[in-house]
Amino acid sequence: DAGVIQSPRHEVTEMGQEVTLRCKPISGHNSLFWYRQTMMRGLELLIYFNNNVPIDDSGMPEDRFSAKMPNASFSTLKIQPSEPRDSAVYFCASSLRFGNEKLFFGSGTQLSVL
Amino acid sequence: GENVEQHPSTLSVQEGDSAVIKCTYSDSASNYFPWYKQELGKGPQLIIDIRSNVGEKKDQRIAVTLNKTAKHFSLHITETQPEDSAVYFCAERDGGATNKLIFGTGTLLAVQP
Repeated sequence: DAGVIQSPRHEVTEMGQEVTLRCKPISGHNSLFWYRQTMMRGLELLIYFNNNVPIDDSGMPEDRFSAKMPNASFSTLKIQPSEPRDSAVYFCASSLRFGNEKLFFGSGTQLSVL
Repeated sequence: GENVEQHPSTLSVQEGDSAVIKCTYSDSASNYFPWYKQELGKGPQLIIDIRSNVGEKKDQRIAVTLNKTAKHFSLHITETQPEDSAVYFCAERDGGATNKLIFGTGTLLAVQP
């Protein structure tokens, strides 16, 4: 298996633009997580899904952030409008099933908002 | 709320020496404590984990110890090698049914050849 696949690897955009990050979890995994990593705040859980249904979005910082999982093999994290403070590395991770703690992380998307 | 403190934030050791990273947690209901290793440009990868009913677990050169009474757990790496250089994160799973992992702030380990 290729593991969790994220795209793009790097994204540079201007303040106010819409940004869409994409994730393909490991085939057969039922839980998907979006994390944000910054120097100041470390790894923060933004939202996670189980069987394509959002379970906990309490970590989503603002209404500018939204996430969807239309099917078992694809998820998006959207920021609209983007701001410089959104600059971070965004990771997607998946696990085999809800309650299975082992997370498999993608390589992340480095987002820079100018 | 849930909180995981991790120390030190940076650690430099000579090749062959041991390295120890410590974490403390606040949720007494936490029952699962993994350690992740993050290499430059990559996502974190699970290297070892321990559950609350076990006091110690070892896998070759790495080991994790858990003290439930004191609410702290530690990662021990023996005979360190340059390829051990990375950022290490501890984490705890909350004691509820949410399956959430709360991560520590990370330790940058540098193994000097």
